[in-house]
Amino acid sequence: GDSVTQMEGPVTLSEEAFLTINCTYTATGYPSLFWYVQYPGEGLQLLLKATKADDKGSNKGFEATYRKETTSFHLEKGSVQVSDSAVYFCALSDQTGGFKTIFGAGTRLFVKA
Amino acid sequence: DAGITQSPRHKVTETGTPVTLRCHQTENHRYMYWYRQDPGHGLRLIHYSYGVKDTDKGEVSDGYSVSRSKTEDFLLTLESATSSQTSVYFCAILGSGGAGELFFGEGSRLTVL
Repeated sequence: GDSVTQMEGPVTLSEEAFLTINCTYTATGYPSLFWYVQYPGEGLQLLLKATKADDKGSNKGFEATYRKETTSFHLEKGSVQVSDSAVYFCALSDQTGGFKTIFGAGTRLFVKA
Repeated sequence: DAGITQSPRHKVTETGTPVTLRCHQTENHRYMYWYRQDPGHGLRLIHYSYGVKDTDKGEVSDGYSVSRSKTEDFLLTLESATSSQTSVYFCAILGSGGAGELFFGEGSRLTVL
């Protein structure tokens, strides 16, 4: 079945450092890919999305490109802030079969001032 | 704001007792989902609904049942709670953007003693 694998955390960075969180997926169809973010005590929020190969999703300085040839969707940000400290989830959704979304295990990011 | 509210937000119960969690939405979305979040597992789908009285199982449905008698309400029931069901439960609705993006409630933390 479909699955998502993302790098284990926690990831600890200093403010203004470059961020990469790796995400790879396996899917039999042509899924949409997502990054969600969860701040402490809250539900998940959609951060960005990409719906087809070579699409780049971007939001709040974060970017990720849908790479079909490497089945990857790595999250990047050029300069992190303390306020970016959160848990980040990579996910895929296949439009066949109820739009069920499959999540990676999550990567916790700590950003130090 | 997708207008999703979950209740109760926190509950402590004893093994063997029944528990019902409620998810209420105000925007007439067709698809609704229940996930559980556990450390190291990300979010795992319990059940989902694609309309009134239309529900289907997810990957971790054993020990759970759901009902959807109105568009706006999706109930998750643990008929006889066990300690393995201690978790944070999230309700989500499928957004109308067409890509499969989800919008989440704030979660219900359940502790089974």
